[in-house]
Amino acid sequence: DTAVSQTPKYLVTQMGNDKSIKCEQNLGHDTMYWYKQDSKKFLKIMFSYNNKELIINETVPNRFSPKSPDKAHLNLHINSLELGDSAVYFCASSQFAGGIGETQYFGPGTRLLVL
Amino acid sequence: KQEVTQIPAALSVPEGENLVLNCSFTDSAIYNLQWFRQDPGKGLTSLLLIQSSQREQTSGRLNASLDKSSGRSTLYIAASQPGDSATYLCAVRPVRPPETSGSRLTFGEGTQLTVNP
Repeated sequence: DTAVSQTPKYLVTQMGNDKSIKCEQNLGHDTMYWYKQDSKKFLKIMFSYNNKELIINETVPNRFSPKSPDKAHLNLHINSLELGDSAVYFCASSQFAGGIGETQYFGPGTRLLVL
Repeated sequence: KQEVTQIPAALSVPEGENLVLNCSFTDSAIYNLQWFRQDPGKGLTSLLLIQSSQREQTSGRLNASLDKSSGRSTLYIAASQPGDSATYLCAVRPVRPPETSGSRLTFGEGTQLTVNP
């Protein structure tokens, strides 16, 4: 059983398009995250939701808009895609937003290539 | 601003060797530190999580230590195997009251480990 799943796994698109990436977790966790891993393999958090409420919003262009329809899902919509958006996007979840010793569980990643 | 550095960037060892991966962070005010493993083309798998009050955590052939005051953590892998080949990432979570602020992990760039048979 997949704990954290993302779709699609690969996404190749043209500059200027709008695309969405979906994430679902079946762990019953309250908190979900989006990370971006750039070409240098550096991972950086973008957003976090706790029980459908946005709690972390890093300095990310407003072309990126997360949406959490319920606490098991966190989608990422990207408008007007740019070449620099090419990266691997990881979704993760943890049981708590705070508290002692929470562990984050990551999805397999979505490899986005903007041409 | 918290910065996490991992040394070395890449490491190649023969099978059976014991090895140490290093992680350092600039702000010692952390809540916990996690070590992850990332296989090529795959997501991250959490290996060990050390709370700020702990000195070490062990799981099988892995042992992670934390020296918060000096801003350092090490991941020790005993009797390395080819299956251990992967990129190892460490990440720290800052102390940031209130705790509802979320788990804003700061990652290092990783150490790419190759264990040769």
